[in-house]
Amino acid sequence: DVKVTQSSRYLVKRTGEKVFLECVQDMDHENMFWYRQDPGLGLRLIYFSYDVKMKEKGDIPEGYSVSREKKERFSLILESASTNQTSMYLCATRTGSTGELFFGEGSRLTVL
Amino acid sequence: GEDVEQSLFLSVREGDSSVINCTYTDSSSTYLYWYKQEPGAGLQLLTYIFSNMDMKQDQRLTVLLNKKDKHLSLRIADTQTGDSAIYFCAETGSSASKIIFGSGTRLSIRP
Repeated sequence: DVKVTQSSRYLVKRTGEKVFLECVQDMDHENMFWYRQDPGLGLRLIYFSYDVKMKEKGDIPEGYSVSREKKERFSLILESASTNQTSMYLCATRTGSTGELFFGEGSRLTVL
Repeated sequence: GEDVEQSLFLSVREGDSSVINCTYTDSSSTYLYWYKQEPGAGLQLLTYIFSNMDMKQDQRLTVLLNKKDKHLSLRIADTQTGDSAIYFCAETGSSASKIIFGSGTRLSIRP
């Protein structure tokens, strides 16, 4: 089974803090994604990566950056957290055949 | 632009059929998907349909695709309490790297 592991299920941070969300996959997939999920808005793509050290902006990249130093690990960074970044963050990898996404369990971030 | 729309809520009686509807805008989508999200969990692929198909059946699930109207539906037969979840419709969109999600339909089951 594909396993996508997000290191933190729940985080509480203060405004202005730097936040790292880590995601690790064990299926050797090239494509990895970070989404944020908000009620009534569905999933919105923040960033994706199609190879090591390669990244592309999604629909809402402002306030976020990413790092992909190794194929299995894709990190989302909030340089200076703000209250409007309180959300559920979902990491996913993608298979090439049917394009199916495999999701982690999610990281619920609260910024006070 | 690319957009996927679905209603936010659906309530059905246990044992009845549930039908969740979705409309999309990008006619070039190769695949269309239904994902299920149970409380406190990530999304999991429920089923998908290739764009050159009209229907796909998998046990209690039936997916219907109307390409002319850009309409996708998911029918769950004999709905059970374990089917309570949020169901997301998604399409591949014009970019091979992106999948476009709808806002999700929360399905609740009445006894």
